[in-house]
Amino acid sequence: DAKTTQPPSMDCAEGRAANLPCNHSTISGNEYVYWYRQIHSQGPQYIIHGLKNNETNEMASLIITEDRKSSTLILPHATLRDTAVYYCIEQSGAGSYQLTFGKGTKLSVIP
Amino acid sequence: EAGVVQSPRYKIIEKKQPVAFWCNPISGHNTLYWYLQNLGQGPELLIRYENEEAVDDSQLPKDRFSAERLKGVDSTLKIQPAELGDSAVYLCASSRGTTLDTQYFGPGTRLTVL
Repeated sequence: DAKTTQPPSMDCAEGRAANLPCNHSTISGNEYVYWYRQIHSQGPQYIIHGLKNNETNEMASLIITEDRKSSTLILPHATLRDTAVYYCIEQSGAGSYQLTFGKGTKLSVIP
Repeated sequence: EAGVVQSPRYKIIEKKQPVAFWCNPISGHNTLYWYLQNLGQGPELLIRYENEEAVDDSQLPKDRFSAERLKGVDSTLKIQPAELGDSAVYLCASSRGTTLDTQYFGPGTRLTVL
């Protein structure tokens, strides 16, 4: 079973920042937080991952709290094409290849 | 760089019939995964290959499901016989093979069993 908790759905106005929260209160020291998204009728797509520090790439920013029990994925300027299900996943650094997906957050970007 | 290719994209069959799905991973990716995704749920791992070896098939229902990855490149997932509850999307993913490497997913095959 997935070990992360996410809200089932969120709305965001087009052009505004989308902030997607994730709770991972049982995360261990060597587990990374990964974010994937799945646009309708497509396979999941990698967005970003982090361990302790905040991370940023061309798609998004990942803010991880100091105690590592929660994180927030930020899409700085949401577009209609960002409408998707966003999955927050814990992945162990100790030899684990498995991604355990939960139900994710359905983000709807509204014009 | 070409992505993960899956075929067919859609398949409709009657129950008790066999069905097969094909996956071509990204060139150079040693690790290949098959996932099952039910409606409204996240993907669930069925099997993982390292080259041609199935290293994790603990979630594969072996009474009716089988998979192969000959020559460590393309892979085929088979169901025989299909049941109504097998209706789902079957996703293939690949990665270079290191522990934390990004997994790249194909578009999936949507199976409907009537």
